[in-house]
Amino acid sequence: AQTVTQSQPEMSVQEAETVTLSCTYDTSESDYYLFWYKQPPSRQMILVIRQEAYKQQNATENRFSVNFQKAAKSFSLKISDSQLGDAAMYFCAYRTLAGGNQFYFGTGTSLTVIP
Amino acid sequence: DVKVTQSSRYLVKRTGEKVFLECVQDMDHENMFWYRQDPGLGLRLIYFSYDVKMKEKGDIPEGYSVSREKKERFSLILESASTNQTSMYLCASSPRVEWMGGNTIYFGEGSWLTVV
Repeated sequence: AQTVTQSQPEMSVQEAETVTLSCTYDTSESDYYLFWYKQPPSRQMILVIRQEAYKQQNATENRFSVNFQKAAKSFSLKISDSQLGDAAMYFCAYRTLAGGNQFYFGTGTSLTVIP
Repeated sequence: DVKVTQSSRYLVKRTGEKVFLECVQDMDHENMFWYRQDPGLGLRLIYFSYDVKMKEKGDIPEGYSVSREKKERFSLILESASTNQTSMYLCASSPRVEWMGGNTIYFGEGSWLTVV
């Protein structure tokens, strides 16, 4: 099974500043999908950004962007101009194309935004 | 919008009780999942299903079973609840992978289960 590692259990950032959350994964597959999900306190988990492994170009969604390094098996999330509403638990996830197309999640990074 | 609905948001059950957690999705997704979320451990897959009446064990299936009699509904069953099953349970669904665009997974709001 694939493993996803988030080495930063907690991070904090000043409002309006930039923060980067780290994620590495282990796989022998060449094609797969990577995701970042956000889980605000007591609220539903939602998709932040998605990256297809066959695409070299890094995905961006407004203030959110990723740094996808396929050879290094690294997938970090950069949040620019941080806002109070960005405070949440962030999960990195890997989706395999094999079998039941499972999703594998990291242990999460809790982001605090300081006013 | 995709909607994944979990029947109970908060439950308190006694040790040894049989517990049913129900989940319904309204987008005709093939895949459905049950995860358990614990602090410091992230999301751990209990069971998933890629079709009606099909089920596959995830990473932590012990003490759980599932049922998928209809495509939209995926139930998690704790045969005999124990205190170490106190946790948040997340149901999710997704379409099968498409080569172009990629698909995401959609989550319910979660069911907080306390076993006393």
